[in-house]
Amino acid sequence: AQKVTQAQTEISVVEKEDVTLDCVYETRDTTYYLFWYKQPPSGELVFLIRRNSFDEQNEISGRYSWNFQKSTSSFNFTITASQVVDSAVYFCALSGMNTGFQKLVFGTGTRLLVSP
Amino acid sequence: DVKVTQSSRYLVKRTGEKVFLECVQDMDHENMFWYRQDPGLGLRLIYFSYDVKMKEKGDIPEGYSVSREKKERFSLILESASTNQTSMYLCASSPQMGQGAGNEQFFGPGTRLTVL
Repeated sequence: AQKVTQAQTEISVVEKEDVTLDCVYETRDTTYYLFWYKQPPSGELVFLIRRNSFDEQNEISGRYSWNFQKSTSSFNFTITASQVVDSAVYFCALSGMNTGFQKLVFGTGTRLLVSP
Repeated sequence: DVKVTQSSRYLVKRTGEKVFLECVQDMDHENMFWYRQDPGLGLRLIYFSYDVKMKEKGDIPEGYSVSREKKERFSLILESASTNQTSMYLCASSPQMGQGAGNEQFFGPGTRLTVL
């Protein structure tokens, strides 16, 4: 069975603070993909990143960075110098070989509130 | 740009009514999905379709059915709406890629359904 755990239900920070959103996953597949999505107040989920299980290199995109560690089954997301526009619900998700990589299993999401 | 549209942003129905939620995508994607999103539960898959007239049950199909007569359109049907189906409903689509490609899903803006 596949499972994604986002233990942080809600995080509140002040603008310009750095914040890390945690994601821990469980899977028996040797090949799998991990994703992060952002859901702003408008409601539409926006794709942020996809990572495959063979690529453990960290990735940086502007103020966003992702730390993938297979040893701890984690795929954490860090926002540097947070801004009010980063306020959203963030979802981590997993797709595996057992579903032909077609279906995603989502975590319960972390609500990030960035105040001015 | 991938565009997934849903017929309504907000919908109010009465218990026992038949409800249709429509989703249309314009990128010729093979896969389409219906999720419901509830606080603390994240996104849960209701039904999935990987081709016209093909469907597969997700994690919570009870009380729902789907229809996919055309590739671009995927409908979610509540045969007899109940109050516990009050939720946010999200539609998504993704291409049918070869094994080993963890394709991301593209989401519509969601329909917030209230059943009174």
